[in-house]
Amino acid sequence: DAKTTQPTSMDCAEGRAANLPCNHSTISGNEYVYWYRQIHSQGPQYIIHGLKNNETNEMASLIITEDRKSSTLILPHATLRDTAVYYCIVSLTGANSKLTFGKGITLSVRP
Amino acid sequence: DTGVSQNPRHKITKRGQNVTFRCDPISEHNRLYWYRQTLGQGPEFLTYFQNEAQLEKSRLLSDRFSAERPKGSFSTLEIQRTEQGDSAMYLCASSYFRDNTEAFFGQGTRLTVV
Repeated sequence: DAKTTQPTSMDCAEGRAANLPCNHSTISGNEYVYWYRQIHSQGPQYIIHGLKNNETNEMASLIITEDRKSSTLILPHATLRDTAVYYCIVSLTGANSKLTFGKGITLSVRP
Repeated sequence: DTGVSQNPRHKITKRGQNVTFRCDPISEHNRLYWYRQTLGQGPEFLTYFQNEAQLEKSRLLSDRFSAERPKGSFSTLEIQRTEQGDSAMYLCASSYFRDNTEAFFGQGTRLTVV
């Protein structure tokens, strides 16, 4: 599986959009980009995934660049409950194979 | 369905003792994964099952570790002769064998070896 690079941490104000970047320059054509988050002392939670096209669900939007070498997770209106570690993962067949987690990015939402 | 269930949530054991953790996946999910997470790190893959077959084991899974999934339902992870380095959060996840589906994680079992 390709490796991902994320900043260590970032913060944003409550109610504002949080844009979390991820680099995956060695991604191959059939690898998906997955985002999970982990709130303190809980198991990881799936957020969203995509292959080439931008994706949106009730939690977030995923923007993947045309060359697929990077992506951005957007939380449109961050709340205090969005404070968590966010993991960007590139996986060959998604949940059908193991997920390789990095250290993720710690998002702190401030009041 | 209440999601992936792991028991116990916390376990404190003395070095050298054996421990066993249980994971009950989401009922229709045929894939089950075990991960280990230490403080400040992301989860690390240990092993996974499709139905009752154990399909892959990480090099992290030493001889003291064994996982089973009898009848393709719940799974157990046993650690024999625990060491202080085994102290970690042990996470279980399940998914349905189909392209592009997400994995659902349990709340984990936190093991402390004293």
